[in-house]
Amino acid sequence: EAGVTQFPSHSVIEKGQTVTLRCDPISGHDNLYWYRRVMGKEIKFLLHFVKESKQDESGMPNNRFLAERTGGTYSTLKVQPAELEDSGVYFCASSLRPALTYEQYFGPGTRLTVT
Amino acid sequence: ELKVEQNPLFLSMQEGKNYTIYCNYSTTSDRLYWYRQDPGKSLESLFVLLSNGAVKQEGRLMASLDTKARLSTLHITAAVHDLSATYFCAVDSFGGVNRDDKIIFGKGTRLHILP
Repeated sequence: EAGVTQFPSHSVIEKGQTVTLRCDPISGHDNLYWYRRVMGKEIKFLLHFVKESKQDESGMPNNRFLAERTGGTYSTLKVQPAELEDSGVYFCASSLRPALTYEQYFGPGTRLTVT
Repeated sequence: ELKVEQNPLFLSMQEGKNYTIYCNYSTTSDRLYWYRQDPGKSLESLFVLLSNGAVKQEGRLMASLDTKARLSTLHITAAVHDLSATYFCAVDSFGGVNRDDKIIFGKGTRLHILP
């Protein structure tokens, strides 16, 4: 079974540009999550989709970030315009519900560098 | 606000030695997780601890949970170089109807085992 995949693995952009990150969850997982780790800090929750609906977007830092999950399959996270402080590693995770021992499966992350 | 604190944040140790990573969290949570991350790779789930007094072991790693003290430990026995990685502790955060809507992470412990 394929795991969670993310694309690209690394992106370097200039301040003010736009970047779109993609996440493909494990097939059949309705729940999809985005997290971010800024250098030296915690991995922080950004938002949670259940199928195509945003269940919780309380962690989105500001309106420069837009997440979508059309059709309830893959998700994209767009940053527009990118700022220096957006640099970090963006993780995607997916999970299957209901699940007694519930587990989120993480992708390898996209390393975003804004210069 | 639920917070997770790990210590130490960096640990360099000799092969063959034992050591413990500590994880404290601030409020009640149903589940505590330990993850391992190798550079450029996904977060790998090591343990999910569900109840007070839970102890799980996998090879040279053993995790325990004390929900009264809000403390989990990850104990490394007779460390080997292959265990070098970053280890994250994390707990669930309840966000309404969905009990599994986000995970709160610690900053991670970067473990470097010297041959």
